[in-house]
Amino acid sequence: DARVTQTPRHKVTEMGQEVTMRCQPILGHNTVFWYRQTMMQGLELLAYFRNRAPLDDSGMPKDRFSAEMPDATLATLKIQPSEPRDSAVYFCASGLLLWGGQGESEAFFGQGTRLTVV
Amino acid sequence: AQKITQTQPGMFVQEKEAVTLDCTYDTSDPSYGLFWYKQPSSGEMIFLIYQGSYDQQNATEGRYSLNFQKARKSANLVISASQLGDSAMYFCAMREGGNFGNEKLTFGTGTRLTIIP
Repeated sequence: DARVTQTPRHKVTEMGQEVTMRCQPILGHNTVFWYRQTMMQGLELLAYFRNRAPLDDSGMPKDRFSAEMPDATLATLKIQPSEPRDSAVYFCASGLLLWGGQGESEAFFGQGTRLTVV
Repeated sequence: AQKITQTQPGMFVQEKEAVTLDCTYDTSDPSYGLFWYKQPSSGEMIFLIYQGSYDQQNATEGRYSLNFQKARKSANLVISASQLGDSAMYFCAMREGGNFGNEKLTFGTGTRLTIIP
């Protein structure tokens, strides 16, 4: 089964440290999303890429977060420096989303990275 | 304004009964897609079903079907013959697809479904 792979699954780090989360999207998918899930805010979009180009990162705190896709098989989300309020589950999703939202579309999530900043 | 509204924070349903989870959406884009995801206690997000705004028929995937009522802007998920393993959080999501590059998924707040034996 094709699946989105995220690493690490769990991360505990001290405040101020750099955190890097990685995602391997499904081969052939043209869109990659980064979401953050918390109890208070639910699922928030942080950034997304289409064909590796960043299209929207307005949901991301620019001073500390950065998202990149160095190649088609890897997306990264970096937090530097990390803060306790960044504690959340971070999901990567990849999708085959056709223009106009029509036709066969799918978007699959990875298992998430549970980040705890102490 | 909320783009996706799920009005049922929690539901309890007897095993083997059918379940309908409500979802309404708000968009002025004539072209969009609607998704449902299941999130069990393990935390993963499982893609269930997709409906395009121009699809003529309601989407179905096994025991899941989407009751798509375009004029009412509703996209309810129907689970037939519920099972204990259906207990989870369910999220409705929308992608407005009229403009190339606007593919982000906007999620509702979810409905927690509990199946009672």
